[in-house]
Order: sequence, then C-alpha cells, then structure tokens
Amino acid sequence: DSGVTQTPKHLITATGQRVTLRCSPRSGDLSVYWYQQSLDQGLQFLIQYYNGEERAKGNILERFSAQQFPDLHSELNLSSLELGDSALYFCASSTSGSSGTDTQYFGPGTRLTVL
Amino acid sequence: AQSVTQPDIHITVSEGASLELRCNYSYGATPYLFWYVQSPGQGLQLLLKYFSGDTLVQGIKGFEAEFKRSQSSFNLRKPSVHWSDAAEYFCAVAPPSGGYQKVTFGTGTKLQVIP
Repeated sequence: DSGVTQTPKHLITATGQRVTLRCSPRSGDLSVYWYQQSLDQGLQFLIQYYNGEERAKGNILERFSAQQFPDLHSELNLSSLELGDSALYFCASSTSGSSGTDTQYFGPGTRLTVL
Repeated sequence: AQSVTQPDIHITVSEGASLELRCNYSYGATPYLFWYVQSPGQGLQLLLKYFSGDTLVQGIKGFEAEFKRSQSSFNLRKPSVHWSDAAEYFCAVAPPSGGYQKVTFGTGTKLQVIP
C-alpha cells in the first residue's frame, strides 16, 4: 500500500460525458501528479500540483482540467469524453515540487472506459 | 529531447534464474534514471533511482541497476527471480534537477516467470 488513494477504481461512461477522478496523496506529500496510461500512448504525464498551485503541465488535453484543494487532495476532470480517452489514470505524490530526488508514490489508478 | 528505449517487450525466465532487463536512454548529459514495477492491477512502484555517484544502484525487492555512461544504458538486474516478480517493468529518464514532472517513461517490459 503506497498510501496514495484513488477513487473510483473503475468508471464506465459514454462519449460526450464528464467525469471526475479523485486522488488523496500520502500524508505529508505536497505534490500531486496525474498520469494517463493507454496502450497506444504508454505512460504520459498530464499535470502536477504543488501545495494547491499548478506546477507543471504535460500532455494534457484542453478538455481535461485538474485542481488541488486546501486539504491537498486533487481532482482530475475529464469532459466531452471520447473513445480514445479510455485509459488507466494514475495519481502520484511526493514531498517536493521539483526535486526528483525524493520518492514518488503511485496510487492504484482509476480505469476509465468510454463507450 | 530525452528518450528511453526498452528493446524487449516481453521476457520469460524460469524461477530462480537471473534476470537482466535492458534500458537505453538518450540525453545530452547524465540524466536522472529510474526503474518502476507495475504488478497486474496495481500502480507503479519505484524500484530504484540513480542521480549521481556510485554507478551500481541497489533497490528494493533485491533489484539492482548499473548506470553505464559509455553505453547510455541503465539495465536492471536480479540474481534470482521469484514468481512474484512477474510484472511489467518501466525504465524512465528525467533531466538532472528536473523533477518527476519531466520524467519520460519507456514502453515497458513484461516479465513472465515460469516454474
């Protein structure tokens, strides 16, 4: 158990819909990272928040957005869903915002299926 | 731009045999290097990381990796594989001091362990 929790574990929805994925980081971790893992794109970094503020953006679509709340949990919002958005979405956390030398811990992921 | 190549998509080893998973990176200077393991239905777990110093890095679960600058490689090794090591392994690279938001993942190597 990494200490990072994600809900829900599975999500099935239809094209055009909007969903919200939730992540709670490890206790004491200020950074939250979101990743997408799909068969064709592999594992891709989407976005990072550090202590409530956006720190870095990766290959995140404009239809996707995220935020980190004062209690440090984070939500990833995916809207106008397309079939190609079906993937495993991971959240990870770490203590620092830009070090890379601390350890990053991953949650178990949310599997999103868009029908 | 940085990149990482895992030339073996799938590897099968017998339980008790030694293991070496290959990873080659492309980056102008010495990058940060990581190995992650993803068990079925689980998130990624960091096995080990290299930032600088000793080129032989010890990780969790009995794994080690050796950084070879001349070969741009960071191969993962284990002297004796256990059935529980069956999983997918990802090599990753990031620029020095770049942080996890700048990590690029390889495409992964699936390890099958046979009795």
